[in-house]
Amino acid sequence: GEDVEQSLFLSVREGDSSVINCTYTDSSSTYLYWYKQEPGAGLQLLTYIFSNMDMKQDQRLTVLLNKKDKHLSLRIADTQTGDSAIYFCADSTSGTYKYIFGTGTRLKVLA
Amino acid sequence: DAGVIQSPRHEVTEMGQEVTLRCKPISGHNSLFWYRQTMMRGLELLIYFNNNVPIDDSGMPEDRFSAKMPNASFSTLKIQPSEPRDSAVYFCASSSTVDTSSSGELFFGEGSRLTVL
Repeated sequence: GEDVEQSLFLSVREGDSSVINCTYTDSSSTYLYWYKQEPGAGLQLLTYIFSNMDMKQDQRLTVLLNKKDKHLSLRIADTQTGDSAIYFCADSTSGTYKYIFGTGTRLKVLA
Repeated sequence: DAGVIQSPRHEVTEMGQEVTLRCKPISGHNSLFWYRQTMMRGLELLIYFNNNVPIDDSGMPEDRFSAKMPNASFSTLKIQPSEPRDSAVYFCASSSTVDTSSSGELFFGEGSRLTVL
């Protein structure tokens, strides 16, 4: 079946940039998402990118998509302690209900 | 809007007891999902409803699990009898598939943390 893979942990110092990577297998993916989960809470959409785009920037967040390699990354500039959370990569295909979630990357920001 | 509302937030029960988890999706959303999250298996889709009709329940672990959606504003996930391995966080999520220009964002509730002793 289709799969989305992420590394499990990332640790950065406050003020540095964080880069979280994700690879996916579904070549028919229409949308690729980054969700954030804070402790004790549900997942919340951070940003998404349409599959015909290479890059999307939203304030401190930059999403890069390499469709050829099926690689997605999320860069957080000037990482703050409040960014500590689990980040999930996910993809979906237009016209279907199937969302494939990665295992999540736990980001720890050191003060 | 209040978002997706789940209850209870925490449930501790003994093996063999019946557990009922509840979800109120966002008004106007026509798709509802139940997910289970564990450390070992991550996020697993249990069941998907569209317009109150179960479309895909292939993720429901076994016959002990059942889900209903009697109307557009309410869904339940029931486990009977419960077992320790059912301990997990159960999330309900809703989305709107009517608007084809939307990104298909899933809106998650805060989850129900179930502990079966």
